[in-house]
Amino acid sequence: AQKITQTQPGMFVQEKEAVTLDCTYDTSDQSYGLFWYKQPSSGEMIFLIYQGSYDEQNATEGRYSLNFQKARKSANLVISASQLGDSAMYFCAMREGKGYSTLTFGKGTMLLVSP
Amino acid sequence: NAGVTQTPKFRVLKTGQSMTLLCAQDMNHEYMYWYRQDPGMGLRLIHYSVGEGTTAKGEVPDGYNVSRLKKQNFLLGLESAAPSQTSVYFCASSYLLNYRSSYEQYFGPGTRLTVT
Repeated sequence: AQKITQTQPGMFVQEKEAVTLDCTYDTSDQSYGLFWYKQPSSGEMIFLIYQGSYDEQNATEGRYSLNFQKARKSANLVISASQLGDSAMYFCAMREGKGYSTLTFGKGTMLLVSP
Repeated sequence: NAGVTQTPKFRVLKTGQSMTLLCAQDMNHEYMYWYRQDPGMGLRLIHYSVGEGTTAKGEVPDGYNVSRLKKQNFLLGLESAAPSQTSVYFCASSYLLNYRSSYEQYFGPGTRLTVT
């Protein structure tokens, strides 16, 4: 089973609208962290936001927020007031457990923002 | 600070040739990683290192070797390149992670490798 599932290969949104990118995860650990990265067409990976499994409040970073629903094992990224520069590939990733741990990435969602 | 740098940016190899990709970071990070990115597959971990002199296998280690002789450098080697290794390779680094750590991984710009 995939540990990180991003079911939307592509999403379209108009400028200034909000958009939600879906991410569900699979883990049996109680301690884990969820990350979202942005990859524009230039190719670099840009960290956006982090949510820890013990964090009681949803993470927010500027126009980005993470809708964390622990019971449903979902960690959706919400982008408010989309901008043309938000057009990019978005990856959800998870770090599991304690000690040495690495990130497992989803396959990504391509977001296109139109004027 | 340069952050994470990768050398080279592009490379074309013939099947059976060998090469080494160099990753360097100037943030004094303990952890370093090598990923490959293929269309529709996201990023998959090849090898990683939790400190100087240590390496460990990731999800897709076959056909690759790594070395971490210095804390700031992490080398990825292909001994006998195959067309299936055509990919974009990313190096990343981070501080020591624990289960409460929000430290993100910092990525290099990537190396586009084509094996013909």
